Amino acid sequence: NAGVTQTPKFQVLKTGQSMTLQCAQDMNHEYMSWYRQDPGMGLRLIHYSVGAGITDQGEVPNGYNVSRSTTEDFPLRLLSAAPSQTSVYFCASSTTALSGTSGEQFFGPGTRLTVL
Amino acid sequence: GEDVEQSLFLSVREGDSSVINCTYTDSSSTYLYWYKQEPGAGLQLLTYIFSNMDMKQDQRLTVLLNKKDKHLSLRIADTQTGDSAIYFCAERDNTNAGKSTFGDGTTLTVKP
Repeated sequence: NAGVTQTPKFQVLKTGQSMTLQCAQDMNHEYMSWYRQDPGMGLRLIHYSVGAGITDQGEVPNGYNVSRSTTEDFPLRLLSAAPSQTSVYFCASSTTALSGTSGEQFFGPGTRLTVL
Repeated sequence: GEDVEQSLFLSVREGDSSVINCTYTDSSSTYLYWYKQEPGAGLQLLTYIFSNMDMKQDQRLTVLLNKKDKHLSLRIADTQTGDSAIYFCAERDNTNAGKSTFGDGTTLTVKP
């Protein structure tokens, strides 16, 4: 199993550009989520999904869109990049909370995004 | 919303024990987790504890849970330089949404 994969690993954007961060998992997990990690601020939830066709906002959703057309893929779109979106972005997947399993999240390696 | 708090830094000498503390607010959490993040990498699960347990031991790791005080701790025995990393405490919403809330992370530095 590849686990959770993310592409690209690094990206530099200019203010106003748009892009999509890709995330895929091969563990048949229903739950997927996107976080951003900034120094001293831990992980903040951007968007999450409990299954194909179902998405919802997290703590910091503004400026980001997501879709979940398949169980495997959960792309994150930056609509018009701003310097405040410079961060490290992590995708994670897990079983759902009611599955009866321990429900730990499996994280991808991250995308380091710089917006100039 | 739910909140998880932990101290930001801990420094210990190699061979000593490390204790990382965490407090949380969601009393309905079924599982509580400790994740480890090494430089330049994503988070990896270190251990977890089910909410009806008081203690869980796994080799050098001991997790203590005080549900009354909503306090979770991670003890690493015989700390090694390879244990230097950021440690995150997390709890998970007990609904089907299952959102996790993470602490800000404790940076553990192990000095030789």
